[in-house]
Amino acid sequence: ETGVTQTPRHLVMGMTNKKSLKCEQHLGHNAMYWYKQSAKKPLELMFVYSLEERVENNSVPSRFSPECPNSSHLFLHLHTLQPEDSALYLCASSQAMEETQYFGPGTRLLVL
Amino acid sequence: AQSVAQPEDQVNVAEGNPLTVKCTYSVSGNPYLFWYVQYPNRGLQFLLKYITGDNLVKGSYGFEAEFNKSQTSFHLKKPSALVSDSALYFCAVRRGGTASKLTFGTGTRLQVTL
Repeated sequence: ETGVTQTPRHLVMGMTNKKSLKCEQHLGHNAMYWYKQSAKKPLELMFVYSLEERVENNSVPSRFSPECPNSSHLFLHLHTLQPEDSALYLCASSQAMEETQYFGPGTRLLVL
Repeated sequence: AQSVAQPEDQVNVAEGNPLTVKCTYSVSGNPYLFWYVQYPNRGLQFLLKYITGDNLVKGSYGFEAEFNKSQTSFHLKKPSALVSDSALYFCAVRRGGTASKLTFGTGTRLQVTL
């Protein structure tokens, strides 16, 4: 798990706050992903970056804004979230988009 | 569209007994199949994958999975369960040979008791 790190591990925020989630991969991979994990639901793919370009955006609300400044770092900027956005947010990376994905430990987000 | 079904929300096994966690899939073309495990407050850990070749795939921690094309299944197995195997297990599928997205099942909780 140390190959992909995420900070913070836990976050509580109000609906008017702005916060950012950070992901860093130390595996030399070229693709990075954001997933949302909610109880009793399959993992939801939010965003995909390949070689620092966004290649997929699965109809995610604009209150979630990703940023990939380089192939090792991925951010998820959060703004005016809703309580239903409370979930575990997982970052993953892979050598290429068709290769095996490796996940970070996640950020547990609670929106009050 | 591709999909994964994990029909059991929870599987209970006694330590030392064999375990099976079921997974069936639907995808056009050749499937690439994966199993991941998630321990409490942790991310998903890769266990094993089937791409091509031998239908029986061996992975981490003594787990293996059998690809059955006619039944479109990829069940996870272990000959002798350990209490430490208790966790949430996810099956996932992608269409092979492409950069298509990985589709996950809803997960199966494995509970191994003494």
